[in-house]
Amino acid sequence: QSVLTQPPSASGTPGQRVTISCSGSSSNIGSNTVNWYQQLPGTAPKLLIYSNNQRPSGVPDRFSGSKSGTSASLAISGLQSEDEADYYCAAWDDSLLFGGGTKLTVL
Amino acid sequence: QITLKESGPTLVKPTQTLTLTCTFSGFSLSTSGVGVGWIRQPPGKALEWLALIFWDDDKRYSPSLKSRLTITKDTSKNQVVLTMTNMDPVDTATYYCAHWGPVTDFDYWGQGTLVTVSS
Repeated sequence: QSVLTQPPSASGTPGQRVTISCSGSSSNIGSNTVNWYQQLPGTAPKLLIYSNNQRPSGVPDRFSGSKSGTSASLAISGLQSEDEADYYCAAWDDSLLFGGGTKLTVL
Repeated sequence: QITLKESGPTLVKPTQTLTLTCTFSGFSLSTSGVGVGWIRQPPGKALEWLALIFWDDDKRYSPSLKSRLTITKDTSKNQVVLTMTNMDPVDTATYYCAHWGPVTDFDYWGQGTLVTVSS
């Protein structure tokens, strides 16, 4: 069981906006920044959001991140079929923690 | 362009020691602020961070696996090596190495290598 809690699944239809939550504690999300990773089927994870809300070069602005207190969220607007993937949050505590992952299905 | 690639055995027996090598290009591990780390993912399960080595040879380990892990670097060869002792079937996973930046954390990942632990 991961210290960072994510819903195991999420879904949406094309064009819709979906959000994925990541809940932690004062020693991890409450004290450090949050990253989000996208893992397409059969591939390595890809950095999607860093420092809570920053997008690396090449990541569409449909993806956005936010943090409040001990929780963080990833929002995907204008959902596309190619967004179907597993999404992981990550934050430092006394070690680097990953969430349990959320499988996003585009209906 | 930063690239990383993992190499090592695909099959190890229980109790054996696993040695994985990460060979990278596009950056130097002697550059201030840079690191290389290892993350694993059992089949169908979540990511788990293992270890991280920095440009100044500072090392960090997952507390739960610290006694079994050793991470080293060879800056001249652009390689980072991870050893894990006393392998068990529960250690079966895809092992990734990744570039670490001071702001972005793990921003570039290798393709991963599947290691199966079985007798």
